[in-house]
Amino acid sequence: QQQVKQSPQSLIVQKGGIPIINCAYENTAFDYFPWYQQFPGKGPALLIAIRPDVSEKKEGRFTISFNKSAKQFSLHIMDSQPGDSATYFCAAGTGGYQKVTFGTGTKLQVIP
Amino acid sequence: SQTIHQWPATLVQPVGSPLSLECTVEGTSNPNLYWYRQAAGRGLQLLFYSVGIGQISSEVPQNLSASRPQDRQFILSSKKLLLSDSGFYLCAWSQESSGNTIYFGEGSWLTVV
Repeated sequence: QQQVKQSPQSLIVQKGGIPIINCAYENTAFDYFPWYQQFPGKGPALLIAIRPDVSEKKEGRFTISFNKSAKQFSLHIMDSQPGDSATYFCAAGTGGYQKVTFGTGTKLQVIP
Repeated sequence: SQTIHQWPATLVQPVGSPLSLECTVEGTSNPNLYWYRQAAGRGLQLLFYSVGIGQISSEVPQNLSASRPQDRQFILSSKKLLLSDSGFYLCAWSQESSGNTIYFGEGSWLTVV
């Protein structure tokens, strides 16, 4: 019940395309859903996060869509650029407890 | 601002040798501290977390141990490395009072040969 399932495992899009990464969870106690971006050889960095009281959050070209009833959330990258090529992790956590469960990651390649 | 330092960045160790990875956090007090491992092309596996000095919780039984001798210092150790210990080790922290945002260090590449 602590799992966060992430798909696809890898994704190739052309510059300007809109890659979409999907995540699903089972534990209804989760109330915090961050996305992390990781470049090769570096630690993951927080990209954007959402709480279940909103259905969408945008920060620049990155948008999280959240469907509480389906227990799913997704990351959209608008006008993708080669510099967005990285591994993206979704995650889920519960308030008041410090552990966060991560998805297995999606390796995104944006080709010029 | 808060920063996290982790070292060494890379190391190659023979099987059976000891390991010590160190991590320190600056600019905050009483952080929650974590050690994660990321195998090549894999996700993030939580190994240990700590909510205070001397308080260590282990998530996965293994050949590794962790210690927190000071508030902002977290150490990952092994007495005898195995080949399967190879991977990318990440130290991370979160603020005690502000929820779940986890901030990662730059990572340490360990190759056991």
